[in-house]
Amino acid sequence: DAKTTQPPSMDCAEGRAANLPCNHSTISGNEYVYWYRQIHSQGPQYIIHGLKNNETNEMASLIITEDRKSSTLILPHATLRDTAVYYCIVRVKNTGTASKLTFGTGTRLQVTL
Amino acid sequence: DAGITQSPRYKITETGRQVTLMCHQTWSHSYMFWYRQDLGHGLRLIYYSAAADITDKGEVPDGYVVSRSKTENFPLTLESATRSQTSVYFCASTARTDNTEAFFGQGTRLTVV
Repeated sequence: DAKTTQPPSMDCAEGRAANLPCNHSTISGNEYVYWYRQIHSQGPQYIIHGLKNNETNEMASLIITEDRKSSTLILPHATLRDTAVYYCIVRVKNTGTASKLTFGTGTRLQVTL
Repeated sequence: DAGITQSPRYKITETGRQVTLMCHQTWSHSYMFWYRQDLGHGLRLIYYSAAADITDKGEVPDGYVVSRSKTENFPLTLESATRSQTSVYFCASTARTDNTEAFFGQGTRLTVV
């Protein structure tokens, strides 16, 4: 699985868009980008994933650059409840073996009033 | 209720004792995982299972044993607990479909004294 690089921490004002970057310059053609988050004292929560097209769901948007070497998770209107550690993970989907996830240290997003 | 549950939520045990952490999911997901989370290390995979009676080692399997006699249960046993196994343990499951997001339990905080 490709290695990812994320900033250790970011701040965002409540109501503003939070843009969380992730670099994955060694990503392979069949590797997807996944985002999870972990709110304090809880288990990680799946947010979104994509291969090369931009994706949007009820939680967030995922923007992947054309060369796929980086991506950005966008929380359009951050709230205090979005304060969490956000993990960017790159892996092949459905390899035929267990779909294990390799977590890095993530970005700690602090949403403030 | 559907979901993934871990028990106990908190456990204190003594060095050398055997302890088993339980994980139960109600979705009949094929894949299940055990992670541990320590400060400075993020989430690390201990063991995973692709189906009942199929298990494999992850990144940090030493000192742990797993079994999967039923699809819905994936217990993790520390055969002889050590202080270095003090950690928060998370269980997760995923379905073997194209939508492979993982669902995590609330975690078990284990302290070995």
